[in-house]
Amino acid sequence: GQNIDQPTEMTATEGAIVQINCTYQTSGFNGLFWYQQHAGEAPTFLSYNVLDGLEEKGRFSSFLSRSKGYSYLLLKELQMKDSASYLCVPNTGGFKTIFGAGTRLFVKA
Amino acid sequence: EAQVTQNPRYLITVTGKKLTVTCSQNMNHEYMSWYRQDPGLGLRQIYYSMNVEVTDKGDVPEGYKVSRKEKRNFPLILESPSPNQTSLYFCASSLSGADTQYFGPGTRLTVL
Repeated sequence: GQNIDQPTEMTATEGAIVQINCTYQTSGFNGLFWYQQHAGEAPTFLSYNVLDGLEEKGRFSSFLSRSKGYSYLLLKELQMKDSASYLCVPNTGGFKTIFGAGTRLFVKA
Repeated sequence: EAQVTQNPRYLITVTGKKLTVTCSQNMNHEYMSWYRQDPGLGLRQIYYSMNVEVTDKGDVPEGYKVSRKEKRNFPLILESPSPNQTSLYFCASSLSGADTQYFGPGTRLTVL
């Protein structure tokens, strides 16, 4: 079967760094997407990892370990606008897409 | 501007009254998909389409129909809506099923 595990909620302070972890089990795997979704709005693409390692994109970085079925999203210099849900989405190579419930991040002043 | 559009954005209807939510993309994407999102459950895939005239069921297809007669359009049809279909619906498109998905703004549906 397919399983995606992320913490339900996290709270962090403005200016800090936060790491959102994701573990996954899928029948096939080509890579891993991270999406950001503000409440009531559409998800938007953040990153896509195919190879093991860390990919940095401005304040956001994403890490992948294929052998461990593990990824994390690292957000630096947190801003209030980063309060949102973060969705870890494995690319299984098929046409179906499985989203986990995501991690709701609250950034406080 | 590259985008996915959905209409209507908000809809309140009554049980049993057929409705259609339209979805259109201008990026010439092959793949389109419909999701519903309910509190605490994340996005669940209803139907997807790999190309014109090719559609398949996602995880929660019961009570929904789709069609893909043109590449750009992928309407979601509720023949006889019920209150348990009250939800936030998103349409998405991508180059293929394995690429980044671009989402429409969402349709908030309430079935009384």
